[in-house]
Amino acid sequence: QVQLQESGPGRVKPSETVSLSCTVSGFSISNGFFWAWIRQAPGKGLEWIGSISYTGTTFSNPSLTSRVTLSVDVSKNQFSLKLTSVTAADTAVYYCARPRSGFDFGFWGPGLLVTVSS
Amino acid sequence: QSALTQPASVSGSPGQSITISCTGPNVDVGGNKYVSWYQQHPAQAPKLIIFDVTQRPSGVSNRFSGSQSGSTASLTISRLQAEDEADYYCCLYERGWLFGGGTKLTV
Repeated sequence: QVQLQESGPGRVKPSETVSLSCTVSGFSISNGFFWAWIRQAPGKGLEWIGSISYTGTTFSNPSLTSRVTLSVDVSKNQFSLKLTSVTAADTAVYYCARPRSGFDFGFWGPGLLVTVSS
Repeated sequence: QSALTQPASVSGSPGQSITISCTGPNVDVGGNKYVSWYQQHPAQAPKLIIFDVTQRPSGVSNRFSGSQSGSTASLTISRLQAEDEADYYCCLYERGWLFGGGTKLTV
């Protein structure tokens, strides 16, 4: 069974960079799929941030592209997100996810709350 | 990218059926093959309940069904149960993923 687990700081200061990682178990990242980051601001809806393949091919939400860097470490079975120049609007629960088999998100991590505050 | 449009809330009584619609400005939701739906209970991660417009993952109740008509995709929940009370999100893939704003279902 595929399992995903987010990790990273729970609090960052405005204008800083937040770095998050997602560790995958039960499935090798190198076996395929685009691995995704999705966030949810408190009391708000879901927002796709970006996705990366095991080869490093990436694509991201046009509204966030300029601040987003995605990377993958096949040896650790992890993929990561860096979001630069954060503001209070970036306060959210950040989820990592994998498709069930196609263009959906069938497997999710439990989520990690990141608060942007000085 | 604007979010897809869903009703903010719907309600129904146990045993009844409800339908949640999903449309989009500048997006052909009704013609997109990759519409998915998610159920989210408070403080939990979303759960995939419909993919590819009409398909149900194994383990998801057949009370949940997806459809398309015109420019709209819809999620229908039949024979409502108390445990169905949750937030529901539509999502589609078109050169990236776009989510609906979410619908709060009260049972």
